[in-house]
Amino acid sequence: SAVISQKPSRDICQRGTSLTIQCQVDSQVTMMFWYRQQPGQSLTLIATANQGSEATYESGFVIDKFPISRPNLTFSTLTVSNMSPEDSSIYLCSVGPSQKEKLFFGSGTQLSVL
Amino acid sequence: KQEVTQIPAALSVPEGENLVLNCSFTDSAIYNLQWFRQDPGKGLTSLLLIQSSQREQTSGRLNASLDKSSGRSTLYIAASQPGDSATYLCAPRGYGNKLVFGAGTILRVKS
Repeated sequence: SAVISQKPSRDICQRGTSLTIQCQVDSQVTMMFWYRQQPGQSLTLIATANQGSEATYESGFVIDKFPISRPNLTFSTLTVSNMSPEDSSIYLCSVGPSQKEKLFFGSGTQLSVL
Repeated sequence: KQEVTQIPAALSVPEGENLVLNCSFTDSAIYNLQWFRQDPGKGLTSLLLIQSSQREQTSGRLNASLDKSSGRSTLYIAASQPGDSATYLCAPRGYGNKLVFGAGTILRVKS
């Protein structure tokens, strides 16, 4: 299994600012995913981040709003840019050693935008 | 596009009951299906993973079944306890490597 450390665990931010969320894994993993969970909703995939290539974004999510870095096989960041109250959500990173193995999730970042 | 439905949306039972949570999905071309639990304000804990070639997986009081051809999975919880209270999510994983989540079943087990 993979141990995932996600920071910050929560933050309260002002409209128009940006927040960078970090995800650190205790082992090298090929695939890393970023999800959003809006209040009272289930999880929605934002993007897939593989080391050495540009992140692949899902429909409805764009790089200018959610830039992602993946500098190595154990670390990734997601930035939520120019925030509005609609960005208030839990953001979670997830890793999977391979397609046939379990995906593991970080504990999430609870973001509130005022 | 994969769509996942979980029934019931919420469930409240007395301690000790056996429970069945249902999950259906529209695209049967999946690698596997994973069940998770989520406690309020927390991340996800993986419970069980069933590969597309398997019919069942068991872990302690939990048993998950998969009928890939009909697009259904069931999570069975035996002898429920108050500590089982959480939201349960199912997520099939397609060949695009993505998990698609259902809306979840909110379970409350009363002592």
